Amino acid sequence: KAGVTQTPRYLIKTRGQQVTLSCSPISGHRSVSWYQQTPGQGLQFLFEYFSETQRNKGNFPGRFSGRQFSNSRSEMNVSTLELGDSALYLCASSSRPQGNTEAFFGQGTRLTVV
Amino acid sequence: DQQVKQNSPSLSVQEGRISILNCDYTNSMFDYFLWYKKYPAEGPTFLISISSIKDKNEDGRFTVFLNKSAKHLSLHIVPSQPGDSAVYFCAASLQTGANNLFFGTGTRLTVIP
Repeated sequence: KAGVTQTPRYLIKTRGQQVTLSCSPISGHRSVSWYQQTPGQGLQFLFEYFSETQRNKGNFPGRFSGRQFSNSRSEMNVSTLELGDSALYLCASSSRPQGNTEAFFGQGTRLTVV
Repeated sequence: DQQVKQNSPSLSVQEGRISILNCDYTNSMFDYFLWYKKYPAEGPTFLISISSIKDKNEDGRFTVFLNKSAKHLSLHIVPSQPGDSAVYFCAASLQTGANNLFFGTGTRLTVIP
């Protein structure tokens, strides 16, 4: 069974640009969550989608948005990039719609904003 | 507001000895806890979890202990191996909520051969 796939693995963007990251969950998983990891901050929850609906959102500005398609694949978009958006962005998929289940992570997309 | 805390940023242990990684949380509504292991440039890998109705869960060399009254959990690795060297994250979730994991800031474990 293939794991969670994130593309691209690495990305360099300029301040002010926008970026779209992609995540394909494990087959059969309908829940997809996004996290941002920066040095010293651990993993910060961005948002979670289940059956194409955003169910929960973390404390991030509106420049961060996402969506989920009918095949459960998800995209995350960041507009008007800032230097502080440089981070590892991780996607995770889960098999169940609620908590008390483990999430499986992709390898992440390393975004560098210059 | 960091609801899950790992106060030790790093830990060094001799090969063969026990590694104990600690985690504290503030939200008494958390009812499911997980440990993840992460290597550089890779995503976190699930290690072990525990429900709040239990106080111990064991899987091979890994054991997680939960003390609800103290809002504290710990991960024991015994015996420690050099391949265990990685960053370990503690995470918590709400059973009735969406799949939103609250992570600690991680502890870097170094196992010395």
